[in-house]
Amino acid sequence: ETGVTQTPRHLVMGMTNKKSLKCEQHLGHNAMYWYKQSAKKPLELMFVYSLEERVENNSVPSRFSPECPNSSHLFLHLHTLQPEDSALYLCASNLHNAGASPLHFGNGTRLTVT
Amino acid sequence: AQTVTQSQPEMSVQEAETVTLSCTYDTSESDYYLFWYKQPPSRQMILVIRQEAYKQQNATENRFSVNFQKAAKSFSLKISDSQLGDAAMYFCAYRKAGKSTFGDGTTLTVKP
Repeated sequence: ETGVTQTPRHLVMGMTNKKSLKCEQHLGHNAMYWYKQSAKKPLELMFVYSLEERVENNSVPSRFSPECPNSSHLFLHLHTLQPEDSALYLCASNLHNAGASPLHFGNGTRLTVT
Repeated sequence: AQTVTQSQPEMSVQEAETVTLSCTYDTSESDYYLFWYKQPPSRQMILVIRQEAYKQQNATENRFSVNFQKAAKSFSLKISDSQLGDAAMYFCAYRKAGKSTFGDGTTLTVKP
């Protein structure tokens, strides 16, 4: 049990669908992250929330919309995605600005866009 | 921007043997943190070991140890007495001011 739970584990969606990814942590962390992991590419940071405020948005297309209603929950709303958005989406959490605090990852959501 | 380079896309090791995964990074900072993460086929990424740059002593965690060469900006991971469960993708990461940069990863195969 990692303490970071992501749902769903797998998601297949058409380009016109709207879906959401959910992440939940009960580790007492104050920062949460969305990463995209594609085959043959390095881990890409998408968004960072610290104390429920978005502190980083790495030029992510607007078809990805994050939401952080509280320090324990993080969502990634998806709409009108492209096939190249198919990837593993990882959520992570830690204590922001505590340099030694490692990232705790969820199991990820494998997204396939058809 | 900081960069992290893992020059070995794939490595293999015989069970019970020792293997070293390499990682180099580029930074102008003097105070930062370095991590090795492991991502097995089940895909949950977990922390293996971490090193504070201000500490000269190399970190160790049971069979895992690092060789941290600050001047050379090198941070290699040594796995001793390799086990089948060590098979995974290993990521080196640099962290400063709350921002982490990851390498491309090294896939480690353990042969029985």
